[in-house]
Amino acid sequence: GAGVSQSPSNKVTEKGKDVELRCDPISGHTALYWYRQSLGQGLEFLIYFQGNSAPDKSGLPSDRFSAERTGGSVSTLTIQRTQQEDSAVYLCASSPRSELNTEAFFGQGTRLTVV
Amino acid sequence: GQNIDQPTEMTATEGAIVQINCTYQTSGFNGLFWYQQHAGEAPTFLSYNVLDGLEEKGRFSSFLSRSKGYSYLLLKELQMKDSASYLCAVRGFGGYQKVTFGTGTKLQVIP
Repeated sequence: GAGVSQSPSNKVTEKGKDVELRCDPISGHTALYWYRQSLGQGLEFLIYFQGNSAPDKSGLPSDRFSAERTGGSVSTLTIQRTQQEDSAVYLCASSPRSELNTEAFFGQGTRLTVV
Repeated sequence: GQNIDQPTEMTATEGAIVQINCTYQTSGFNGLFWYQQHAGEAPTFLSYNVLDGLEEKGRFSSFLSRSKGYSYLLLKELQMKDSASYLCAVRGFGGYQKVTFGTGTKLQVIP
């Protein structure tokens, strides 16, 4: 596609439910990042993929969070047993390579609200 | 680890020049990015520095000093549309190259 696409754009869920967030990176981009942004805050790193592997999962807040990427393309971020503190905008970004001065292109994000 | 510091907020006048500073401490360094983020929108790329010195791109310039762990973003001829948050981000070394963002500087341009 022309840009990074994320779905859904908005998600309201009840506390304790599981949610899946999807990211379609720009075609051909090998690096994919997930960030979380709470209201008025900066971007909190969650996880990074190079191809299908995730060299750095250090930012995942708890074992309720997991992510996968298949075919070097689409990625899903899954949050199990959601809590109110999970409410935030989840941003996905992709870049063509991670070795060079290639910037990351961001999607519009998924706004998650846990009630 | 990585730590990135920026001022939380700044105010500047339309037509003026503003400098937004960023300091960082990182175990590795492979480039520094500046992004612009308007309220409710995704961040968009502004600049990238990996060598010391000034990179100029139109009204925006970015400076880097690796020995000091310091960068700044310079915005000239400020326009009202420049009101946004400006995010400093550092890419670290390793088998992977994580990009870590600062909390951003919210710039308000006033008439």
